[in-house]
Amino acid sequence: KAGVTQTPRYLIKTRGQQVTLSCSPISGHRSVSWYQQTPGQGLQFLFEYFSETQRNKGNFPGRFSGRQFSNSRSEMNVSTLELGDSALYLCASKQRNTGELFFGEGSRLTVL
Amino acid sequence: EDQVTQSPEALRLQEGESSSLNCSYTVSGLRGLFWYRQDPGKGPEFLFTLYSAGEEKEKERLKATLTKKESFLHITAPKPEDSATYLCAVQPTTSGTYKYIFGTGTRLKVLA
Repeated sequence: KAGVTQTPRYLIKTRGQQVTLSCSPISGHRSVSWYQQTPGQGLQFLFEYFSETQRNKGNFPGRFSGRQFSNSRSEMNVSTLELGDSALYLCASKQRNTGELFFGEGSRLTVL
Repeated sequence: EDQVTQSPEALRLQEGESSSLNCSYTVSGLRGLFWYRQDPGKGPEFLFTLYSAGEEKEKERLKATLTKKESFLHITAPKPEDSATYLCAVQPTTSGTYKYIFGTGTRLKVLA
């Protein structure tokens, strides 16, 4: 059974640019959530999607957005990048009955 | 306010030297507590789920336990390959079923 797939794994952008990250959940999982991980803050919740609907959102500015498609694949977008957006962005799909999250390898974003 | 605190922040053990990692939590109601292992540059890997006080789960050299206020991850006779960051997360019953609060982790280093 394939795990959670995130692309791209690494990317470098400059301030002011925008970026789109992609996540394919485990087959059969309909819930996808996104987290930002930085050394100082740990894992911070960005948002969660279920059946193409955003069900919960963390305390991030409106520059961070996401969506989910009918096949449960999800994308997140960060516009007008800032230096502080440099982080590992993790996607997780959820096992519905147990609540267990299964993470992808992450997308490492560096903003210069 | 819902909160998760892990201690110690970092731990160095000799191979074979058993120890415990702590995860203290403050939530109005607990839906589940989760342990993850994270290797550098990778996404967290699911280890255990605990749902109620008194519950224990075991896997190889790891054993997780849960009380009403904290969880312990016991590592028995660790090996160098157990070196990683161990994350604890709680899912509170409030704020819907989609919110997970992560601790900042314990960085474990096992020396040969």
